[in-house]
Amino acid sequence: GEQVEQRPPHLSVREGDSAFIICTYTDSATAYFYWYKQEPGAGLQLLMSVFSNVDRKEEQGLTVLLNKKDKRLSLNLTAAHPGDSAVYFCAVSDDTNAYKVIFGKGTHLHVLP
Amino acid sequence: GGIITQTPKFLIGQEGQKLTLKCQQNFNHDTMYWYRQDSGKGLRLIYYSITENDLQKGDLSEGYDASREKKSSFSLTVTSAQKNEMAVFLCASDGGFSAETLYFGSGTRLTVL
Repeated sequence: GEQVEQRPPHLSVREGDSAFIICTYTDSATAYFYWYKQEPGAGLQLLMSVFSNVDRKEEQGLTVLLNKKDKRLSLNLTAAHPGDSAVYFCAVSDDTNAYKVIFGKGTHLHVLP
Repeated sequence: GGIITQTPKFLIGQEGQKLTLKCQQNFNHDTMYWYRQDSGKGLRLIYYSITENDLQKGDLSEGYDASREKKSSFSLTVTSAQKNEMAVFLCASDGGFSAETLYFGSGTRLTVL
């Protein structure tokens, strides 16, 4: 079945720097790609979603890149601030069963003031 | 806007005990999910339900039962709590085909003594 690897597990950056998180997946049928943010004591909040026909998407300081050839999904936070400190998860699902979303293990991002 | 309410927020149980977690949503969403979140392991799907009285097993269903009594509520039962078990159980719902519209509750944190 689908395997999703996310790295790094922990990331510390200084305020104003960029934070880069990457996920790789194994199933070439994967069609839907997501990034979620989880703040302490809260559930997951969708940051961005990308469908397989999109290579790049930018929104409000976030850039998602999708490389289907290498089966790689990345999230770049430009100019991070302390409020961005949270756990970030990538997630994927395929065309056959969008109900079964596979999550990465998460990246603990700490933005230092 | 809608909300997903999980109760209780914290649950402490004894080894071997049957424990029930509850989830309510007022989005009028058709599909609801239960995920288990362990530190360093991401989210794993336990059960999901695409409509009232429907139940579908996820990858981690062994040791759990679920019940979709009505469209707005989805409960999860740990059939026999394991000693020293600690995890967060997240309920989610979505109203469409793709998981883009996944909304999460804030979780129930389980500790088994």
